[in-house]
Amino acid sequence: EPEVTQTPSHQVTQMGQEVILRCVPISNHLYFYWYRQILGQKVEFLVSFYNNEISEKSEIFDDQFSVERPDGSNFTLKIRSTKLEDSAMYFCASSEVGGSTDTQYFGPGTRLTVL
Amino acid sequence: LAKTTQPISMDSYEGQEVNITCSHNNIATNDYITWYQQFPSQGPRFIIQGYKTKVTNEVASLFIPADRKSSTLSLPRVSLSDTAVYYCLVGAHGSSNTGKLIFGQGTTLQVKP
Repeated sequence: EPEVTQTPSHQVTQMGQEVILRCVPISNHLYFYWYRQILGQKVEFLVSFYNNEISEKSEIFDDQFSVERPDGSNFTLKIRSTKLEDSAMYFCASSEVGGSTDTQYFGPGTRLTVL
Repeated sequence: LAKTTQPISMDSYEGQEVNITCSHNNIATNDYITWYQQFPSQGPRFIIQGYKTKVTNEVASLFIPADRKSSTLSLPRVSLSDTAVYYCLVGAHGSSNTGKLIFGQGTTLQVKP
């Protein structure tokens, strides 16, 4: 069964540094998403992306965040200047059709630790 | 998007059937009900989706009464590996929807031997 992959599985960085989290969505999917989950808290939507542009972003997704689909397979989340409160699991997801009723397939996540 | 309410936690034993009920009193006409499962340190995983009556797949059943103001996820004969957080989500079906999923706290199911 096709799956979403994410790299790295764990990223440790110093506060103020830039990080790029990478995702390879399922190959025939057209809609891409990033979510995050702070330890012990609920999964939070960050951004949705379709046709090379952002469809919707949450208030968490401020100017420090950006997303990109640099080629036909990767989907990246960049945090320009990390803060301690950015420490969380970051999940990438993709779906074939789009809409909140279309099944979203989540990756295994990247655990980001900001020191 | 309709607000959902579900129990924070549930305990069960191996081999039992588990029913998790979700309330969504302000569900809209075009809203579907979707359940996701999340194991520790993993991303959520789709389990089942329905609009009305009953839906069954190889993993679970979903029961939705006629008024659609609640739904019940039924897991037959749970095993230890079903220990996870279960999320009930309600959302619209349509191309104008951007796909944002709104997760609540979910129900933490603990299956004991």
